[in-house]
Amino acid sequence: SQTIHQWPATLVQPVGSPLSLECTVEGTSNPNLYWYRQAAGRGLQLLFYSVGIGQISSEVPQNLSASRPQDRQFILSSKKLLLSDSGFYLCAWSGGGTSYEQYFGPGTRLTVT
Amino acid sequence: EDKVVQSPLSLVVHEGDTVTLNCSYEVTNFRSLLWYKQEKKAPTFLFMLTSSGIEKKSGRLSSILDKKELFSILNITATQTGDSAIYLCAVVRNNDMRFGAGTRLTVKP
Repeated sequence: SQTIHQWPATLVQPVGSPLSLECTVEGTSNPNLYWYRQAAGRGLQLLFYSVGIGQISSEVPQNLSASRPQDRQFILSSKKLLLSDSGFYLCAWSGGGTSYEQYFGPGTRLTVT
Repeated sequence: EDKVVQSPLSLVVHEGDTVTLNCSYEVTNFRSLLWYKQEKKAPTFLFMLTSSGIEKKSGRLSSILDKKELFSILNITATQTGDSAIYLCAVVRNNDMRFGAGTRLTVKP
C-alpha cells in the first residue's frame, strides 16, 4: 500500500530564515505530487505540482520554491521566510492519468515569528 | 477565473439530524469533483464524482454531481458527533485540483 511522509510535523522559524520541508511517497512510482498551504480556517491553496522528476508547475507567485530531485521526493523551500508564510503545509500525491483522487500527508504546521 | 464555492461555510446540528452540504463550481477543463473530510490534520478522501446523476454512497454519506448546473451535494444522514469536521470540495482540472473554502460542520450531542 502507498504511504506518504512529511517532516517535520511542526516548525517555528524566525522571519528571514530559510525553509526546507520534505515529502516522500512509498509504494507507488511516477506519482503526481502537490504542495498545498492552508491558512487558519480556510481551504487549501495549491502552491506547486509536479508530474515528473524536475518538472515543477507553480500556481501562485511567492517566495517559495519546489523541487523534485527524485521520483518520490518533493521538497518545498524558501530562502527567506516572511510572516505571511505561516500556515499548514500539506503534501499530496495522485496516481496521474485518470486517477484524480489525491492522498495527503500528515502536514507541517509552520509558524514564522 | 476558476471558482469553487461551498455553502454554508459553517453549520451546527444535533446528533440524528440530516445535513446537506453544497459545492458549486466554474472551472475550465473539468475532469472530476472530489469530497474530503478534514478533522485535525490531513484531509481524507470521501468520494470522487465524474459523471452526472450517479450517486456515490458510503454508509451514511452520499454525494451526487450535476454537470449541467455545475454543482454537487454531500448528504450526511443520522449525523453523529464523529462527523464533526471540515468538509472540502475540490474540482480537478487538467493536472491540479482547486479547493473550496470548506464547510465546518459541528454535530452536538
